[in-house]
Amino acid sequence: EDQVTQSPEALRLQEGESSSLNCSYTVSGLRGLFWYRQDPGKGPEFLFTLYSAGEEKEKERLKATLTKKESFLHITAPKPEDSATYLCAVQASYSSASKIIFGSGTRLSIRP
Amino acid sequence: GAGVSQSPSNKVTEKGKDVELRCDPISGHTALYWYRQSLGQGLEFLIYFQGNSAPDKSGLPSDRFSAERTGGSVSTLTIQRTQQEDSAVYLCASSSLAGANVLTFGAGSRLTVL
Repeated sequence: EDQVTQSPEALRLQEGESSSLNCSYTVSGLRGLFWYRQDPGKGPEFLFTLYSAGEEKEKERLKATLTKKESFLHITAPKPEDSATYLCAVQASYSSASKIIFGSGTRLSIRP
Repeated sequence: GAGVSQSPSNKVTEKGKDVELRCDPISGHTALYWYRQSLGQGLEFLIYFQGNSAPDKSGLPSDRFSAERTGGSVSTLTIQRTQQEDSAVYLCASSSLAGANVLTFGAGSRLTVL
């Protein structure tokens, strides 16, 4: 069964304190791994897609990396506006139905 | 439209009543997804449409849940005989491709069953 596990559930950092969020996945053939950001009361907003092990994507203070079993979202020198829930999702290559499965997310809080 | 539109944004209903939630995807997006998000939880897959057909209905929690899509555009999620455990935010997303694709989400419909 396809599965996505994110850790930690919650993370509180001081402004400027870098850290990483983890996404472990089990899927029979990966078509794509996605990172989304969700602010309270809103739908998730797309950040990155990663397709193969070794791939990296960057956007401002965020960098996503991918191995065969997990993905990391690295946050460098975060600011309070980076506070949000970060969701990881995977899409299996075998599935003609293109089902996309999400993890439960990491709630990130950045203190000024 | 410019984004994915969902209505109503909030719905309060009594246990046992039926509810309909509507999703209007981005024009031209052929793929449409419904997810459910309970308080403080991740997104639970419900159903996926490619055009008007639903190749994957595996996530629907029970036969009280159904969904349809017409004209390759608007989709309606119907919950019959609502129960308190149906209370959640129902999110709709659309995408232009059936491959490894990026989802654009609506703001969700918050359902409260009393």
